[in-house]
Amino acid sequence: GESVGLHLPTLSVQEGDNSIINCAYSNSASDYFIWYKQESGKGPQFIIDIRSNMDKRQGQRVTVLLNKTVKHLSLQIAATQPGDSAVYFCADLPLQGAQKLVFGQGTRLTINP
Amino acid sequence: GAVVSQHPSRVICKSGTSVKIECRSLDFQATTMFWYRQFPKQSLMLMATSNEGSKATYEQGVEKDKFLINHASLTLSTLTVTSAHPEDSSFYICSARSQGAGVSYGYTFGSGTRLTVV
Repeated sequence: GESVGLHLPTLSVQEGDNSIINCAYSNSASDYFIWYKQESGKGPQFIIDIRSNMDKRQGQRVTVLLNKTVKHLSLQIAATQPGDSAVYFCADLPLQGAQKLVFGQGTRLTINP
Repeated sequence: GAVVSQHPSRVICKSGTSVKIECRSLDFQATTMFWYRQFPKQSLMLMATSNEGSKATYEQGVEKDKFLINHASLTLSTLTVTSAHPEDSSFYICSARSQGAGVSYGYTFGSGTRLTVV
């Protein structure tokens, strides 16, 4: 991900609906991608990851899709719950070189009752 | 699972003073630790990478004399904000990477430190 210091985009969904959060990355050498959840005043919490040799990976209520052609990553959250309200960030790592996680812009997800 | 403890969680200091933030890996040895800074409603920006026993590597635009990083042991890294000014007020987050870990779960984040300079 490439963070440019812009304010966070927001996404509001109804409780029980599915959410899709998108992320674009710019480094074609990125090999590994992670989605993090950050609640207010806390550090990022690991959600799910995917390697560049995959295009889909599923976890509990979450699915990550990777489209390397257009350098796009998405996080799908099924049956959203109030506890899913948070800011979601994607981060990526290159295959070679310094193993520094670079965070994307982030999306604030709000769940409406 | 891997746990990273960051202390303090909140600190208020006067302009011109220095503040030290600690980051500890509680149940694993962290050969590499990272320090991030986050302004309100923005993403995490990497400040520096510290490797145990060697000097930290700072990202472009980060003043190394202002943000002193020490990684003296495999379980502790510290960030000292020297001569703090109100513009240094931010949320500082550390991350630790365990030695030999697969990339998955290799990065564990602390709970962050809210620094307010008055």
